[in-house]
Amino acid sequence: QSVQTQPPSASGTPGQRVTISCSGSSSNIGSNYVYWYQQLPGTAPKLLIYRNNQRPSGVPDRFSGSKSGTSASLAISGLRSEDEADYYCAAWDDSLSGWVFGGGTKLTVL
Amino acid sequence: EVQLVESGGGLVQPGRSLRLSCTASGFTFDEYGMHWVRQAPGKGLEWVSYITWNSGTLGYADSVKGRFTISRDNAKNSLYLQMNNLRADDTALYYCAKDRLGYCSSRSCYAGTGFDPWGQGTLVTVSS
Repeated sequence: QSVQTQPPSASGTPGQRVTISCSGSSSNIGSNYVYWYQQLPGTAPKLLIYRNNQRPSGVPDRFSGSKSGTSASLAISGLRSEDEADYYCAAWDDSLSGWVFGGGTKLTVL
Repeated sequence: EVQLVESGGGLVQPGRSLRLSCTASGFTFDEYGMHWVRQAPGKGLEWVSYITWNSGTLGYADSVKGRFTISRDNAKNSLYLQMNNLRADDTALYYCAKDRLGYCSSRSCYAGTGFDPWGQGTLVTVSS
């Protein structure tokens, strides 16, 4: 069981806005930055959002992140078929002195 | 272009050992901490281990502590994971990943870095 909780699945139609939640605790999300990773089918994960809401160069501004208390969210606007992937949240955990991931959310574009 | 190439995976019996390698190129390897992250078949991501740029700090997930050892050879641009006493639940695709920030050696830096980029992974299967 993952330390951080994500819904196992999410879906939307092209052009829609979808959000994926990530719930943690005071030792991880509550006191540290949140990161989001995108894993396209059959590929390695890729950094999508760092430090709660920052996008690496090359990541479209359709992707945005936010954090409030011990929860975080990833929003994808203008949904496209190529966004179909697994999405993972992550954060440093002060109690474990290590990194923790959410269980992942499989996004389906209908 | 930053590249990370893992190797050393394979089929191994329970209780045996295996050593994974990750060869880096396209960046100044000795400036960055490195991680191992694994993904069991059909499952999510699990952080395994971390080593700072100068090998001064090592970190392990509880699930591998005492069995796995991370190390690096900056002269060879290489990261390693020595895995001993392997169990069936260690079966996974093992990725190496680079710290986004260089010269991390404090909690505030660890928390502020993230993994970027990742290699393509090497598959470890533990089975009799």
